[in-house]
Amino acid sequence: EIVLTQSPGTLSLSPGERATLSCRASQSVGNYLTWYQQKPGQAPRLLIYSVSKRATGIPARFSGSGSGTDFTLTISSLEPEDFAIYYCHQRSKWPPWTFGQGTKVEVK
Amino acid sequence: QVQLQESGPRLVKTSETLSLTCTVSGGSMKTYYWTWIRQSPGKGLEWIAYIHYSGSTNYNPSLRSRVTISIDTSNNQFSLSLSSVTAADTAVYYCASELATVSGSYYFDNWGQGALVTVSS
Repeated sequence: EIVLTQSPGTLSLSPGERATLSCRASQSVGNYLTWYQQKPGQAPRLLIYSVSKRATGIPARFSGSGSGTDFTLTISSLEPEDFAIYYCHQRSKWPPWTFGQGTKVEVK
Repeated sequence: QVQLQESGPRLVKTSETLSLTCTVSGGSMKTYYWTWIRQSPGKGLEWIAYIHYSGSTNYNPSLRSRVTISIDTSNNQFSLSLSSVTAADTAVYYCASELATVSGSYYFDNWGQGALVTVSS
């Protein structure tokens, strides 16, 4: 099973600041890395797929990068609605396809 | 826009079978891999299984012995059955649609609102 480790666990930032979230895989996942955002009481929402492709309707302030085992989600300038929990997910060749434990972006 | 809605009992007794159904509207069942995912405080988000309209399935090996996923394309539904449940199976269960693109991308683009299922004796 591929383990995804996200860091930091919590990121305390102010609106307008840049957020950098990390996701590290225990083995290569190729480009099968996706990012989701989840707000309290809601289902996760697709942000980024295939490492760096923004989903429909996702603002340009969200970007993804990385390859192999190390991936980054960057929010260039935090808006109030961006404070949430972010999860990475891998869909490599064999199941189980796993999620990271999440990074909470909270208001400082 | 595909919409999904989970239904089924929200309280299940220990050792019994958890059964949930996801009703799909607004899209073709031929397009996606229909998936169950659960979320618990202890284990975070956990992929359970998927089924394709063709009937092909894939299961999380850790749950495979207890899980059955099925599809009813005539009623635009797919279902999850999880047997011999314990308190560790208490979670929010989501149904989701996973899209596989021609360029080889995979992602969950639509989710149900989630169903909190509690396992208790």
